[in-house]
Amino acid sequence: DTEVTQTPKHLVMGMTNKKSLKCEQHMGHRAMYWYKQKAKKPPELMFVYSYEKLSINESVPSRFSPECPNSSLLNLHLHALQPEDSALYLCASSHILSGWVGELFFGEGSRLTVL
Amino acid sequence: QQQVKQSPQSLIVQKGGISIINCAYENTAFDYFPWYQQFPGKGPALLIAIRPDVSEKKEGRFTISFNKSAKQFSLHIMDSQPGDSATYFCAASSPAGGTSYGKLTFGQGTILTVHP
Repeated sequence: DTEVTQTPKHLVMGMTNKKSLKCEQHMGHRAMYWYKQKAKKPPELMFVYSYEKLSINESVPSRFSPECPNSSLLNLHLHALQPEDSALYLCASSHILSGWVGELFFGEGSRLTVL
Repeated sequence: QQQVKQSPQSLIVQKGGISIINCAYENTAFDYFPWYQQFPGKGPALLIAIRPDVSEKKEGRFTISFNKSAKQFSLHIMDSQPGDSATYFCAASSPAGGTSYGKLTFGQGTILTVHP
């Protein structure tokens, strides 16, 4: 099983809503990532979890709140977002290898629209 | 110094032709150079990757050429097919020091269109 599953595939929310994006993998990967991707742009790293602990926060606004309940699950809680936060949110996972990042397996993404 | 510069932004190739995408980097600490392929509505998927101890790596129709002294690497797609039409991202990462992972720095992407 080499899949990273993300739900929902599409999400529309207002600026006052609270919603969550979910990600699941069963490849035994101990690193999980959230990326944000705008149209025709490369993915931008937001957060990295290593062994279920937050290890990198790329200065992401607090209206994005990540959570890693266990080694297979990764959530991104959304609150009071702005229209400019509309984007494709990608989850990825990888093995933790000695000294370098292993192959990242990406999900298909959750397309978020903030009205 | 963390940038990876990718060119061209878009590329149109006839079926059967060779597609070439180039990337350049500044950070000499980078030691892992993957290429990702992304189809519309999908997440990126690893296509091929290289470490700087080799100058070339080939997997099927896809070849990475790596020039360490010039700090450049490129993707060659031989016998390009319409199914290769996608966005291609080069990337680079450096050793993570005391941690067990590194950040990937992506190039800006190349939209490849292969005409039948």
